[in-house]
Amino acid sequence: ETGVTQSPTHLIKTRGQQVTLRCSSQSGHNTVSWYQQALGQGPQFIFQYYREEENGRGNFPPRFSGLQFPNYSSELNVNALELDDSALYLCASSLDRGLTEAFFGQGTRLTVV
Amino acid sequence: GENVEQHPSTLSVQEGDSAVIKCTYSDSASNYFPWYKQELGKGPQLIIDIRSNVGEKKDQRIAVTLNKTAKHFSLHITETQPEDSAVYFCAANDNSYDKVIFGPGTSLSVIP
Repeated sequence: ETGVTQSPTHLIKTRGQQVTLRCSSQSGHNTVSWYQQALGQGPQFIFQYYREEENGRGNFPPRFSGLQFPNYSSELNVNALELDDSALYLCASSLDRGLTEAFFGQGTRLTVV
Repeated sequence: GENVEQHPSTLSVQEGDSAVIKCTYSDSASNYFPWYKQELGKGPQLIIDIRSNVGEKKDQRIAVTLNKTAKHFSLHITETQPEDSAVYFCAANDNSYDKVIFGPGTSLSVIP
């Protein structure tokens, strides 16, 4: 176990709805990254938060947004859900920003119908 | 930005044999190359990483080699065991941001 927990583990939403996914980072870690993993593909970087500030963003539209809280836990929000948003959403925490080992949670499986 | 390719997409080996997974990357400025193992229903787990100042790194049955000139890096697993069966991802950092770009993955099956 990595100490990174995500909730919920599974979620079904209707197209057009909004969703919030949550991540508790490993103790002592101040950096959280979010990834989207479609079936049979590698994780795609969404964005990273370092000490409550966004520290880089991948090629995802603005309807993907996030937050990091003072305790370094994090949320991923997706508005106006589309069918293609169906995927496994992974959160990874690391001790610091930069090239340090990232510890992944088990992911949240989102299905949009 | 960085682009990572990975081959093969699937690999089956007999228990005890070796497995090799190869990756290429596009950004010559990349200097960090982690490998992750993802078991069914779990998040990826780092198994080994290598930085550009070394050409090879080994940890028990796992080794990684890096050729910066050719922009290639490889994962070698020796004496494979059934518990090595999983999806393996190579990755390389994108120096534009503090992030890593993942390859598409290799599904490794170790046949007892």
